[in-house]
Amino acid sequence: EVRLVESGGASVQPGESLRLSCEASGFKFREYWMDWVRQAPGQGLEWVAHTNNDGRRKTYADSVKGRFSISRDNARNRLYLQMNSLRVEDTAVYYCVRENGGLEYCGPGTLVRVSP
Amino acid sequence: DIQLTQSPASLFASVGDRVTIACRASESITSHLNWYQQKAGKAPRLLIFGTSSLQSGVPSRFSGSGSGTDFTLTISSLQPEDSATYYCQLTSSSSFTFGQGTKVE
Repeated sequence: EVRLVESGGASVQPGESLRLSCEASGFKFREYWMDWVRQAPGQGLEWVAHTNNDGRRKTYADSVKGRFSISRDNARNRLYLQMNSLRVEDTAVYYCVRENGGLEYCGPGTLVRVSP
Repeated sequence: DIQLTQSPASLFASVGDRVTIACRASESITSHLNWYQQKAGKAPRLLIFGTSSLQSGVPSRFSGSGSGTDFTLTISSLQPEDSATYYCQLTSSSSFTFGQGTKVE
């Protein structure tokens, strides 16, 4: 069974940093592109970033480019999102997603709250 | 960047109704157009990928079609458990744009 579990969400102040983790199991993690998608309270879905299966290719949404960094550790089956210079508008539930044609499997999400 | 506009923003329908949700792209697309279902408080679920391919485990009452700039998600016979928000999404080499969502009640 494919399982994705996010962790690391917290309440922080603007300008601070946070690192999200996603532990993957039930599939060959190293064979898949992986993504982060977020959803602000009461709002729609927003794609954040993705990385290819070996971690060498990374693409970011314009809204996070230069502030967020996606990475992965295939030996530990983990995906990460380093978030720097956080803004109030980054407040959202962040989902770890396995990509395969579409965004095939999502974790339950972890909440990041940025407030003064 | 290509923008996706869904219509309607929300709709009310009865059990057994045929429901159609539209997704219009700001320019013609040749890459993947996907559809997702999201129930309140839950993660999104992939329904349709590559415009018209049904994801494994998704009921056959869901179908997708379209080309160019106009795409459609159809629920052939609405069931109570289909109450949710539906999103279209474009997959390209540089971004994964979502539509704004359609709430089905």
